[in-house]
Amino acid sequence: ETGVTQSPTHLIKTRGQQVTLRCSSQSGHNTVSWYQQALGQGPQFIFQYYREEENGRGNFPPRFSGLQFPNYSSELNVNALELDDSALYLCASSLLQAGGYNEQFFGPGTRLTVL
Amino acid sequence: AQKVTQAQTEISVVEKEDVTLDCVYETRDTTYYLFWYKQPPSGELVFLIRRNSFDEQNEISGRYSWNFQKSTSSFNFTITASQVVDSAVYFCALTPRVGNTPLVFGKGTRLSVIA
Repeated sequence: ETGVTQSPTHLIKTRGQQVTLRCSSQSGHNTVSWYQQALGQGPQFIFQYYREEENGRGNFPPRFSGLQFPNYSSELNVNALELDDSALYLCASSLLQAGGYNEQFFGPGTRLTVL
Repeated sequence: AQKVTQAQTEISVVEKEDVTLDCVYETRDTTYYLFWYKQPPSGELVFLIRRNSFDEQNEISGRYSWNFQKSTSSFNFTITASQVVDSAVYFCALTPRVGNTPLVFGKGTRLSVIA
């Protein structure tokens, strides 16, 4: 196990609703990245948070937003849910260090179904 | 731009057979990391290996081995004497060596090992 936890495990929402997913990073890590994995696809980068600020974003619309808290845990918020938002959402925590590679440790994911 | 291609969508083998999963990548970076992850039905991404672009030595770990060939931009993964527990989706991924850039994943190869 990586020490990264996510909640909830599964979630069912209807189109147009809003959802919040949560991630607790591994102890000592200061960075959280979120990925969306649609069925049959590889994970795609949504955004990354470092010290409570967004630190990079993939090709996702603004209705995908996030937060990082002082304890480095993080939330992913999705507004105006669409059917295509149905996916497994993975968070990964890492320790950002200057000049080094930031090994990412993945959580078990939250499976979101939008009806 | 970076891209990872896993041309094999699904592979099915009989237990004890050897199987090779292909990965071809594209990047303009001169230094980068390559990865393989395993994703069992539970959904969590399990880290298998990280390879630095400077290190083209093949690696063997138990029944797993990796063949990195920079000349053909390939990083193939072989499982020797496959077992039913190897059944999973396997992802190849890429990221630049330095900086805080995210992982770029292939679409994955679903491996089914039949008893």
